[in-house]
Amino acid sequence: NAGVMQNPRHLVRRRGQEARLRCSPMKGHSHVYWYRQLPEEGLKFMVYLQKENIIDESGMPKERFSAEFPKEGPSILRIQQVVRGDSAAYFCASSQSATGDGQPQHFGDGTRLSIL
Amino acid sequence: DAKTTQPTSMDCAEGRAANLPCNHSTISGNEYVYWYRQIHSQGPQYIIHGLKNNETNEMASLIITEDRKSSTLILPHATLRDTAVYYCIVRLTGANSKLTFGKGITLSVRP
Repeated sequence: NAGVMQNPRHLVRRRGQEARLRCSPMKGHSHVYWYRQLPEEGLKFMVYLQKENIIDESGMPKERFSAEFPKEGPSILRIQQVVRGDSAAYFCASSQSATGDGQPQHFGDGTRLSIL
Repeated sequence: DAKTTQPTSMDCAEGRAANLPCNHSTISGNEYVYWYRQIHSQGPQYIIHGLKNNETNEMASLIITEDRKSSTLILPHATLRDTAVYYCIVRLTGANSKLTFGKGITLSVRP
C-alpha cells in the first residue's frame, strides 16, 4: 500500500506529557499537511510543510504545538505538555505539488490522541 | 477560498444514482472544485476534482455548471459502503494550499 501512513493509530497520554505523531507521505509526494478533527467537529487545517520548510502554519496553536518535515524521514507533529482539549483525531495528507493542475491531497487514516 | 453550501443530509436507495449538490456562487476563475468523503472514523478520501469541464473517474462523476456557480457529484450506483459525509471544497491553487472543510452532506444509502 503506497498511501499516506500515519502512526501510531491510537495514542494515549497523560496530561503534561508529550505526544509525537508521525506521517510518511505517499511515494513521490513532497508536500505534507496536518489537520485536526475535534470530537463532533469538522476537520481544521493546522500546518503545511515542504521538505525542511514550514510554508503555512496559520492553523497551529501558538504554544505547545510544532511540526517538522526533515530531509530524511517522516513528518512529525509534536504536542508538548498535552491537555485534555488536545484529544482529537489528527490527520496527515500529502500531495505531489501545490500548484499547477490542482494536485489533490491524499489523507492517511489518522492518529487518535486521547489525553487522560 | 470561495465558500460552499451543501444540504445537511440526503438518502438514496442502494443501486440507484446519488446526486449530491454543492453551491459555490463566489468561485473565482482559478479555483478548483474538490470532493472528498469521510467514512466514520477513517481519513478523508479524495473522490474527484475539476476546474471547468465535467470529470469522471472510477468512483464518480463531477458535473460543473457552465457559470461554475454550482456542481453535482454523482455516484452512479450507490452501495451501502458509500454511506459517508461528503465534502465539497473550493480551493485556490498556489501557495495557500490548505483545504477548508465545511460540515459536508451526510449521505445515507438504504438497502
